[in-house]
Amino acid sequence: ETGVTQSPTHLIKTRGQQVTLRCSSQSGHNTVSWYQQALGQGPQFIFQYYREEENGRGNFPPRFSGLQFPNYSSELNVNALELDDSALYLCASSLDPGEKLFFGSGTQLSVL
Amino acid sequence: GIQVEQSPPDLILQEGANSTLRCNFSDSVNNLQWFHQNPWGQLINLFYIPSGTKQNGRLSATTVATERYSLLYISSSQTTDSGVYFCAVDKGNQFYFGTGTSLTVIP
Repeated sequence: ETGVTQSPTHLIKTRGQQVTLRCSSQSGHNTVSWYQQALGQGPQFIFQYYREEENGRGNFPPRFSGLQFPNYSSELNVNALELDDSALYLCASSLDPGEKLFFGSGTQLSVL
Repeated sequence: GIQVEQSPPDLILQEGANSTLRCNFSDSVNNLQWFHQNPWGQLINLFYIPSGTKQNGRLSATTVATERYSLLYISSSQTTDSGVYFCAVDKGNQFYFGTGTSLTVIP
């Protein structure tokens, strides 16, 4: 049984660019959620995908968008990057919505 | 949204000591989970505990949903327990993390 994996581990972008982060859910899990964690703060919920549909969204602007694929892996896309988007981006999967969350190791994004 | 507050914000313990971390939340929730974030950023799920008490080795947790709080107990602390502890609640397919408790265990 493989755990949750995220790629890349680190990424450097410049302001205004676009970025795509990827997440493979744990085997058997159909739900993926994404979080942004700024330095010294707790994770902030971005959105959740269940069976390829978005079924929950936090207080993030539309330039944060996502996808979930038939194999339940997921992507987070961020357009028009801003300096404040610099953070650790975490992905979690669960058997179903509302079940126990299992996190990946995260992608550290730096926007210059 | 739901406010989730944790206390204390920082804690320094001698190895072998016991501690209690608290999580208060401002509204009824569907479930509550406790996590440990190690110094490398990895979040490990410690407990899925919408109500009642659970134990796992030196750790135990209690959630009193009617009073909107949860407690995490760490007994006989070890240096590997260092890191940040977060509670997180779920309501209406929205997740809210607490402010965290930073624990340092010194040998």
